[in-house]
Amino acid sequence: AQSVTQLGSHVSVSEGALVLLRCNYSSSVPPYLFWYVQYPNQGLQLLLKYTSAATLVKGINGFEAEFKKSETSFHLTKPSAHMSDAAEYFCAVSPRFQGAQKLVFGQGTRLTINP
Amino acid sequence: DAGVIQSPRHEVTEMGQEVTLRCKPISGHDYLFWYRQTMMRGLELLIYFNNNVPIDDSGMPEDRFSAKMPNASFSTLKIQPSEPRDSAVYFCASSRGQVNTEAFFGQGTRLTVV
Repeated sequence: AQSVTQLGSHVSVSEGALVLLRCNYSSSVPPYLFWYVQYPNQGLQLLLKYTSAATLVKGINGFEAEFKKSETSFHLTKPSAHMSDAAEYFCAVSPRFQGAQKLVFGQGTRLTINP
Repeated sequence: DAGVIQSPRHEVTEMGQEVTLRCKPISGHDYLFWYRQTMMRGLELLIYFNNNVPIDDSGMPEDRFSAKMPNASFSTLKIQPSEPRDSAVYFCASSRGQVNTEAFFGQGTRLTVV
């Protein structure tokens, strides 16, 4: 069985500050890990994914995430927040080679950017 | 490609009425998913299809919910009769291939049952 836990349902940072959104996973088999972003009144959009290549993964809009097996974590970071980053972010996990039908999503973290 | 297209974007209906949500997946994608998003339960997978065949409907909450995929370019999710607790945002998503885990989401249908 797999699961993800996103620490903090709401995160607020100032414009220009570091963004750190936390995700810990539980998986009985080596996983694939994902971050999706949902802008208001929109569907989910893939930000980045880890599929067992480099442990530091770069995504769109300046985001990156690092897979740490020892900590079972896949935290999302961005060095400098922009107002347009305000959205809800979802971490997701799936077993390798088993397709999107096995995706399990976290509860989401709402990111607010203060001017 | 225009992406996954859902209609309508918003639906308001009275309790007891039938509601039909529609989805057009990305051309060439062989997997189609229906999700429901609520504040309380987050994002839940309701059902998914592979090559138009329903594979797993264990997430469908009750018999009032049904989904069909008559061809590769169209799927429906029907609720009959609708209840206020069905109010949520319903997403359709599609993906290609068994091992490619990237799912592409539509913009969702916000359903309000009054």
